[in-house]
Amino acid sequence: QQQVKQSPQSLIVQKGGISIINCAYENTAFDYFPWYQQFPGKGPALLIAIRPDVSEKKEGRFTISFNKSAKQFSLHIMDSQPGDSATYFCAASAPSNTGKLIFGQGTTLQVKP
Amino acid sequence: DSGVTQTPKHLITATGQRVTLRCSPRSGDLSVYWYQQSLDQGLQFLIQYYNGEERAKGNILERFSAQQFPDLHSELNLSSLELGDSALYFCASSVGAGTRRETQYFGPGTRLLVL
Repeated sequence: QQQVKQSPQSLIVQKGGISIINCAYENTAFDYFPWYQQFPGKGPALLIAIRPDVSEKKEGRFTISFNKSAKQFSLHIMDSQPGDSATYFCAASAPSNTGKLIFGQGTTLQVKP
Repeated sequence: DSGVTQTPKHLITATGQRVTLRCSPRSGDLSVYWYQQSLDQGLQFLIQYYNGEERAKGNILERFSAQQFPDLHSELNLSSLELGDSALYFCASSVGAGTRRETQYFGPGTRLLVL
């Protein structure tokens, strides 16, 4: 119930291509879905986040698509660049008086020049 | 640089020992979160403190404990260490308690190796 399942585990994309990472959840109480980007040797950093009242959110080359009925959300990276090579984590949070985040297992993205 | 500092960067110790990890949140942030990152478990929420008080608890072992001090820095104490405790430990901070989904800013982490 508290899990967030993320796929694929790793992804190789050519420069200029589209990277797509998918996440699925079971807990319908989740109401906040952030994506974090982590470079080697660094801590995760918030990339983009969405709430379930919208189906899509776009920030630059990064877009979150959200399908409430399917309990799935995905990150699309358009025009992928070698600098996007990192590990990406989806996460979810349920309404509460805390900021606890449940993270997916992570996807290691490599963008080839 | 997120503004969250963690010390030490690396820690090597033996089984059965006790260690303390330290975290200083961003200036103005009242919440501190601790996460454990391992290869097989991913990023796991351990515990959250807000303005000195425990706010939420995750899958934190009884051998682990944490506290947040009046100056808002936090310490994570790990005792009776086992090989399986080897992991990256991240601290994150946010301005509020998390109820408004404030951004959590992560520190660079402490890499713990238990031999």
